[in-house]
Amino acid sequence: EAGVTQSPTHLIKTRGQQVTLRCSPISGHTSVYWYQQALGLGLQFLLWYDEGEERNRGNFPPRFSGRQFPNYSSELNVNALELEDSALYLCASSPRAEMAFFGQGTRLTVV
Amino acid sequence: QQQVKQSPQSLIVQKGGISIINCAYENTAFDYFPWYQQFPGKGPALLIAIRPDVSEKKEGRFTISFNKSAKQFSLHIMDSQPGDSATYFCAARMSGNTPLVFGKGTRLSVIA
Repeated sequence: EAGVTQSPTHLIKTRGQQVTLRCSPISGHTSVYWYQQALGLGLQFLLWYDEGEERNRGNFPPRFSGRQFPNYSSELNVNALELEDSALYLCASSPRAEMAFFGQGTRLTVV
Repeated sequence: QQQVKQSPQSLIVQKGGISIINCAYENTAFDYFPWYQQFPGKGPALLIAIRPDVSEKKEGRFTISFNKSAKQFSLHIMDSQPGDSATYFCAARMSGNTPLVFGKGTRLSVIA
């Protein structure tokens, strides 16, 4: 069974640009979570999608947004990139149970 | 407000020794407490988890101890090996598939 897959694995963007990150959850998992892991700051919760709806968002500005598609895959969009957005962006999926499984992440560098 | 506090920030243990990482939480609505292991350049991987109706759970060399009254839980790694060198995160969540809340992580180095 395939795990959580994220794309791209790495990308470099210029300040002010926009970026879209993608996540495919484990088959059968309906919930998708996005986390930001900046250096030395641990995992900060960004967004939670379940059954196509945004259920909760963390303490991030509105330029962080996303959506979940009918097949439960998800996109994270970040507009007006800032240098401090440089981080590892992690996607996790969960069935209707406690366990959450993470992808390998997308390393975003903003220059 | 940090809801899960993790210590120490870093830990160096001799090969064969016991690694102990501690976490404390504030929200009594949390009812699921997992530990994740993360190697450089990889996503976190679920290691072991516990619910508050159990005081201890053991899987191989990894043990979670849980103290509900103190709102604390800890990870013990017995017979620590160099391959255990990684960053460990404790986490907690409420029921209903709510997002995990993570501690800030502990960087473990096991030296020969």
